[in-house]
Amino acid sequence: DGGITQSPKYLFRKEGQNVTLSCEQNLNHDAMYWYRQDPGQGLRLIYYSQIVNDFQKGDIAEGYSVSREKKESFPLTVTSAQKNPTAFYLCASSIPLDSSGANVLTFGAGSRLTVL
Amino acid sequence: AQSVTQPDIHITVSEGASLELRCNYSYGATPYLFWYVQSPGQGLQLLLKYFSGDTLVQGIKGFEAEFKRSQSSFNLRKPSVHWSDAAEYFCAVVAYNFNKFYFGSGTKLNVKP
Repeated sequence: DGGITQSPKYLFRKEGQNVTLSCEQNLNHDAMYWYRQDPGQGLRLIYYSQIVNDFQKGDIAEGYSVSREKKESFPLTVTSAQKNPTAFYLCASSIPLDSSGANVLTFGAGSRLTVL
Repeated sequence: AQSVTQPDIHITVSEGASLELRCNYSYGATPYLFWYVQSPGQGLQLLLKYFSGDTLVQGIKGFEAEFKRSQSSFNLRKPSVHWSDAAEYFCAVVAYNFNKFYFGSGTKLNVKP
């Protein structure tokens, strides 16, 4: 079955360490996204990529980095510059639903990062 | 700037009762609107979407939503709630031909037996 796989499901990090969250999709979607979810704040966009080798900052990109070397993969690195990294991270992908260009997001199951 | 407001943080309803979750958006042109549902510790699942046409849209699991342009609203409804509907619900908007989705802060639904 097609879908989005995020790993690891749970991750613990010491302060000052960089960590990388994996996101792989086999849906043949062109666009991929990373969102951060905190209680009571909904989802906030970190980075998104519409094609391979190209990506754009979202609303809260500081302290994060991404790469898009393959269509199927969009890893997110949480760097030591991110001051409050404890959160639930969601990866998503999309293709245009119709000729109007309106997209629908498909989500992975998420990764929970806790900084000790 | 685009934004989505879900005024109710928590809602509790009895099983079998009707449900309405509120969503208001701020956007200059005709938006594309969505409702997603999230179970604890899981990703989001699409319930329904509105792009154009009939303003009353049907989704999965017996949910429906109505787009009201005059009120900038896209409220989610269900005539009879089941215990399995307990989850968090998110309203979202995206601009035409644009890849940035804006999400509300979510409404947590509890269902009493």
